[in-house]
Amino acid sequence: DSGVTQTPKHLITATGQRVTLRCSPRSGDLSVYWYQQSLDQGLQFLIQYYNGEERAKGNILERFSAQQFPDLHSELNLSSLELGDSALYFCASSGGTANSYEQYFGPGTRLTVT
Amino acid sequence: GQQLNQSPQSMFIQEGEDVSMNCTSSSIFNTWLWYKQDPGEGPVLLIALYKAGELTSNGRLTAQFGITRKDSFLNISASIPSDVGIYFCAGRNYGGSQGNLIFGKGTKLSVKP
Repeated sequence: DSGVTQTPKHLITATGQRVTLRCSPRSGDLSVYWYQQSLDQGLQFLIQYYNGEERAKGNILERFSAQQFPDLHSELNLSSLELGDSALYFCASSGGTANSYEQYFGPGTRLTVT
Repeated sequence: GQQLNQSPQSMFIQEGEDVSMNCTSSSIFNTWLWYKQDPGEGPVLLIALYKAGELTSNGRLTAQFGITRKDSFLNISASIPSDVGIYFCAGRNYGGSQGNLIFGKGTKLSVKP
């Protein structure tokens, strides 16, 4: 158990809809990262937040947005969903007492868009 | 953009065999991490490397930070069935935004039929 929690575990929705994925980082970690992993693909970095502020942006679509709240949990919002958005979405956290470069991943949210 | 080349893409293992995989970068990295991912699960951190030439072990796993700072290697000795999964390397280069990692595409380990 990495200490990073993600909800929900599974999500099935229709095209055009909007969903919110939630992540709670490990206790003491200030950074949260979001990744997308499509079938048999590697991890695509989407966005990083550090202590509530956006720190780095990767290949995140304009239809996607994220935020980190004062209690450090983070939400990833996906809107106008398309079939191609079906993927595993992972949250990772770093910082705190561990080396800040070591990212610890949550169990992921499997999104299926029908 | 920055890329990591991880090889091999896939390999088959027979119980008891040693396994080797590697990652190379076009630029210098100051951190290398190795993760393992089981199907449908999140990647789990196996080993972290911070110095060129560093050799670190975690049980039957040994990883090395290449002296050129552009590569890293992971070896698994005496493989067992639960070693099956996808292994990812990840690196952070000098000047990268804090904590931001670049991931390889993974090496998929399967059991020999």
